[in-house]
Amino acid sequence: DQQVKQNSPSLSVQEGRISILNCDYTNSMFDYFLWYKKYPAEGPTFLISISSIKDKNEDGRFTVFLNKSAKHLSLHIVPSQPGDSAVYFCAASARRGFTTSGTYKYIFGTGTRLKVLA
Amino acid sequence: DAGVTQSPTHLIKTRGQQVTLRCSPKSGHDTVSWYQQALGQGPQFIFQYYEEEERQRGNFPDRFSGHQFPNYSSELNVNALLLGDSALYLCASSPLHRGKTDTQYFGPGTRLTVL
Repeated sequence: DQQVKQNSPSLSVQEGRISILNCDYTNSMFDYFLWYKKYPAEGPTFLISISSIKDKNEDGRFTVFLNKSAKHLSLHIVPSQPGDSAVYFCAASARRGFTTSGTYKYIFGTGTRLKVLA
Repeated sequence: DAGVTQSPTHLIKTRGQQVTLRCSPKSGHDTVSWYQQALGQGPQFIFQYYEEEERQRGNFPDRFSGHQFPNYSSELNVNALLLGDSALYLCASSPLHRGKTDTQYFGPGTRLTVL
């Protein structure tokens, strides 16, 4: 059962335009969401996160939107640059009820390959 | 400030063999998680270590085991290797229990090929 889904395996966008990457989740216990970027032969690099108490978080060119009722989040990159070409993963975790002796795990989607065309 | 480091970078083993992968967390981080990423998939959680104990485990068989040392570094051991164990193994660390951000930061991974 895939609890985190990225239904678009790939996306091509012209340089300077907006890139919108989407992610859906099924587990209502998830309360913390993250986006990672991954280049070939490298580990995932953290981009931006959002807690379920918010519906938007911005960091420079990157903005993440969370729609809890639809169990949907999206990553907007504006403006897109050729260096943004990579695979993007969304991840989710359930931190509610976390204690100092407890831990949690991230559930990842299958990724979306973004290609920004110069 | 060194980030998360992993060794070796690449490894080739044959079926039935055993392998040990190593991870050093980012400075200031005390919690280490291991993930397996098969080709075309997202990372899958294997287990997480804190205070030298396995705290949570994903849906992986007992052939996968680990260890965390007093300096917070960690090892992942896989016994009786199968062809299906071929993947990129990622280590992630976080300062989870030190009241700071609990975001996990990943190392470059170890590419394991089982022949």
